Amino acid sequence: GQQLNQSPQSMFIQEGEDVSMNCTSSSIFNTWLWYKQDPGEGPVLLIALYKAGELTSNGRLTAQFGITRKDSFLNISASIPSDVGIYFCAGQVTSGTYKYIFGTGTRLKVLA
Amino acid sequence: GAVVSQHPSRVICKSGTSVKIECRSLDFQATTMFWYRQFPKKSLMLMATSNEGSKATYEQGVEKDKFLINHASLTLSTLTVTSAHPEDSSFYICSAQRLEANVLTFGAGSRLTVL
Repeated sequence: GQQLNQSPQSMFIQEGEDVSMNCTSSSIFNTWLWYKQDPGEGPVLLIALYKAGELTSNGRLTAQFGITRKDSFLNISASIPSDVGIYFCAGQVTSGTYKYIFGTGTRLKVLA
Repeated sequence: GAVVSQHPSRVICKSGTSVKIECRSLDFQATTMFWYRQFPKKSLMLMATSNEGSKATYEQGVEKDKFLINHASLTLSTLTVTSAHPEDSSFYICSAQRLEANVLTFGAGSRLTVL
């Protein structure tokens, strides 16, 4: 099935460091969503982006909807151990069923 | 608000039997629900889009006769894995679309193990 390219695939960081991850696609999207998934659980919404160029924050998280509508990034500032998990981007296609396609995921591990 | 309940959370069944998974939006109405499948350490792969009162739209490669989807009300969609086989073992996750915010709210997932 169709997927978005998300990078990095995984990263180990020290507690307190900032983290950046991004998603890119060859297609344009209406909406970008960022989720965090803990093992054995469903994804939980972190940030939603609706307009090209939009920059939105949620606590230590900041995400942006790329101007070309083909990419988005998520930043986490001052990481803490509970930030551990898998982060997914999701883009909403612009026609048909307006389905959401998920990125390949970024696995984050925080070293205390 | 915006809670999606998915049941059962875990199910083990014998090969050849059918299993039904329910997805309910508890405090909002969802005309559209999406069913995803997730393999270990992999991303979410969309299986089908479920629309209330109409037939589901299946993604390429997903067998509609094997994965039956019913969306009979604005708060309930069901996925039935028919004649399950070990290769159907996976983590199945549903999501409901909140139109007023254009976001997906996910259930906690259902882990299916077929022996």
